[in-house]
Amino acid sequence: DAGITQSPRYKITETGRQVTLMCHQTWSHSYMFWYRQDLGHGLRLIYYSAAADITDKGEVPDGYVVSRSKTENFPLTLESATRSQTSVYFCASSVENQPQHFGDGTRLSIL
Amino acid sequence: GEDVEQSLFLSVREGDSSVINCTYTDSSSTYLYWYKQEPGAGLQLLTYIFSNMDMKQDQRLTVLLNKKDKHLSLRIADTQTGDSAIYFCAECLRDTGRRALTFGSGTRLQVQP
Repeated sequence: DAGITQSPRYKITETGRQVTLMCHQTWSHSYMFWYRQDLGHGLRLIYYSAAADITDKGEVPDGYVVSRSKTENFPLTLESATRSQTSVYFCASSVENQPQHFGDGTRLSIL
Repeated sequence: GEDVEQSLFLSVREGDSSVINCTYTDSSSTYLYWYKQEPGAGLQLLTYIFSNMDMKQDQRLTVLLNKKDKHLSLRIADTQTGDSAIYFCAECLRDTGRRALTFGSGTRLQVQP
């Protein structure tokens, strides 16, 4: 019963590099989400997906790209990392009218 | 608008009750959630309430919803040191079609032995 897994758990990279955060869920949930968590802001929505090949922007999408070619995977890419993207990133999934379940997060530091 | 507010910090003694409060501003919210986050961990769903309910009880947890005042509270009875964590209130706005959650900034609960 793997549930929802994120990788890597920790990542350090440099400004300007491309980095991809992975999210995989085993429940076949239709909805998937990416949030970032910063002190004083709670969690803010970056992107979400209602189904495979359907994605849309959330509250803070700038600098991020997502794709969802398969229902179970929802990778998040920072095309050219900036220091302001240093954060903890959480992936979540759900089905209609049910709570979201979260992964353990990826702690990303951009130097 | 979408704005969920919580107090930042609450300190209680072990065995006492804890009450964590949350206000939300969008009356179209259908589900309201409480999540718990322990240090270095992800978010764990504690409980949730549908907007047509006033109260929900689940073991030591009681959720109260006052729709008129857009106020949500989480009461933890017989608080234990293991309850020390950050508690997030979140609302789901079905009208947007996103099904995403809008979170408060979190309340850090400190339980003193």
